[in-house]
Formats: sequence, structure tokens, C-alpha cells
Amino acid sequence: RKEVEQDPGPFNVPEGATVAFNCTYSNSASQSFFWYRQDCRKEPKLLMSVYSSGNEDGRFTAQLNRASQYISLLIRDSKLSDSATYLCVVNSWTAGRRALTFGSGTRLQVQP
Amino acid sequence: SQTIHQWPATLVQPVGSPLSLECTVEGTSNPNLYWYRQAAGRGLQLLFYSVGIGQISSEVPQNLSASRPQDRQFILSSKKLLLSDSGFYLCAWSVRRSNTEAFFGQGTRLTVV
Repeated sequence: RKEVEQDPGPFNVPEGATVAFNCTYSNSASQSFFWYRQDCRKEPKLLMSVYSSGNEDGRFTAQLNRASQYISLLIRDSKLSDSATYLCVVNSWTAGRRALTFGSGTRLQVQP
Repeated sequence: SQTIHQWPATLVQPVGSPLSLECTVEGTSNPNLYWYRQAAGRGLQLLFYSVGIGQISSEVPQNLSASRPQDRQFILSSKKLLLSDSGFYLCAWSVRRSNTEAFFGQGTRLTVV
């Protein structure tokens, strides 16, 4: 089982739609969680951290369920510029080191 | 503010040739440093992890190596490249001893021919 699993998509949605991405992680000792955005042929960039209480940043809402080891990202009122790959990221101690483990990403294509 | 520099941006190398990719971080001290590789259409694979000068952890067996000669310098090397080494190489840093996010350099797109 992969440490971090995501549906690869692609998710093709019209402008203005609401879309949700899910992610599961296997290491119950994971300590922090993030969503990154990666545009084609570019480096990943932090979109938002994910807190246990859930957090919102404009049109983006992230939630964490530690009991189910599940993370979600909700995008409301999708824009064309939201088209990208969204990476679920988990920070945990594994084999004596702390490092970020990335999911393979979920591709979003917002269509006019 | 902190910045991370990675170069070169693109590289085309023949099979069997050596490789050296360099990454430097500014504006912070004692960072955790990482090398990741992303194959076309795939996720990021952690290659190396460093918590300090000369301290390198290798995550996967391969013909690549990493070195950290200075606190904010991280180098990825190979003596002889393979076709399978092609990919997008990303250097990243994070605050040491913390659960914070990592920040990436702009990456090097390596094509081995």
C-alpha cells in the first residue's frame, strides 16, 4: 500500500463548479499535512496546510480526519486558472527521519 | 526572506556521462534539504534527505549520490547516467526539527539520451 494515495483523475469540471479531492495516508503517526499545487512542468507550490479543525482560504477548504487517515480539498467556484495537479502531502517520522511524502497527484482541468 | 536556487533548469546528457546538480538556500540556517525526482506523469519520489553538513540519507538504491559540503548547499551527482535517470529533479528545504512545509527550487529537467 502506498503511503499517500490519491485518485489521479483527471477531473474535468466546468467553470463555477465545486470539486473535491480526497487523499488517504497509511502512517498513523503522521504529524502534519498539506496540499500543494503543481502546474505543468513547474515545481510544486504550497497551496495550504491542513489542520485538524479544518481550514479555509478563500475558495479552498481543507479538512483532516485523523481517525480515518483521510484528507480532503474542496474548491468552490472553480476558475480556469485552477487547472493544475493537486498533491496531497504528509509529513511524518519514518525510519528515523522526517520527510514529506507526496501523493501522485490529482489532475484538475477546469473548462470554459 | 528565504530563497532556494537550483541549476541548471534543463540538461541533456548522454548515457554514461557524469552529472552534477546544485542547489543552494539563502535566508535560513540549518535547513533540512531534500532531493526529489519526478518521472513524466508520476508523483515525487524522495531520493535523498539531509539534516546537516555531511549527513545524507538515501531513500532508494540507485546510481545517484548526494553531498552537503556546506550548510545551505546540496549537490546531486552521478558518475555514469542511465536512460532511466531522466526526469524532473527537485531540490527542497524545510525548517529543521519542525512539521512545517517544504519549499522547492524550480527544478532541473534532465534528459538522458
